[in-house]
Amino acid sequence: DAKTTQPTSMDCAEGRAANLPCNHSTISGNEYVYWYRQIHSQGPQYIIHGLKNNETNEMASLIITEDRKSSTLILPHATLRDTAVYYCIVRVGIMNRDDKIIFGKGTRLHILP
Amino acid sequence: KAGVTQTPRYLIKTRGQQVTLSCSPISGHRSVSWYQQTPGQGLQFLFEYFSETQRNKGNFPGRFSGRQFSNSRSEMNVSTLELGDSALYLCASSPRYDSSYNSPLHFGNGTRLTVT
Repeated sequence: DAKTTQPTSMDCAEGRAANLPCNHSTISGNEYVYWYRQIHSQGPQYIIHGLKNNETNEMASLIITEDRKSSTLILPHATLRDTAVYYCIVRVGIMNRDDKIIFGKGTRLHILP
Repeated sequence: KAGVTQTPRYLIKTRGQQVTLSCSPISGHRSVSWYQQTPGQGLQFLFEYFSETQRNKGNFPGRFSGRQFSNSRSEMNVSTLELGDSALYLCASSPRYDSSYNSPLHFGNGTRLTVT
């Protein structure tokens, strides 16, 4: 079972900020939060990741709550090309033999013109 | 830097046959993981290889196997194909440093396998 919970779908107007929530209430202290997105017929694309501090890069910002049980991916100025399925996953920093990388169903984000 | 390359891009096989898919990771990446993606089940982890050794395995039958070569390139094999094996098979690479890593996965665009 996925360790994260995301809404099935969301809409956002073009030019506005898209805020995608993710719940990871069972996250462990050594697990990072990663975000990927997948555009139809392509492989998932890495967006951003973080451990406990908020992070920002050229694509997006990641806000992680203080208790680390949830996070929000923010696309500051959504464009039509941001229409994709967005996956939030948790993943340890040091893998051992029992660790598996588990993707949930993701959020289908529709950017509306 | 070239991305992750998967070949072939599309494949059509019949039930009972076997298939081999290939993945070339980003130069310098030593970890390769494989995933099966279907509309009903989403992205499911198959296995991960590092330094030619399988390090982690998902919940798939033994018909699914893989290997990694000394140049980090990896192959995945599915024997005795079933209709339900029709899916997009994705490969991802990451640097995977020896002691710790929090590196993102870099995915290829996958091989779409259709079993008839």
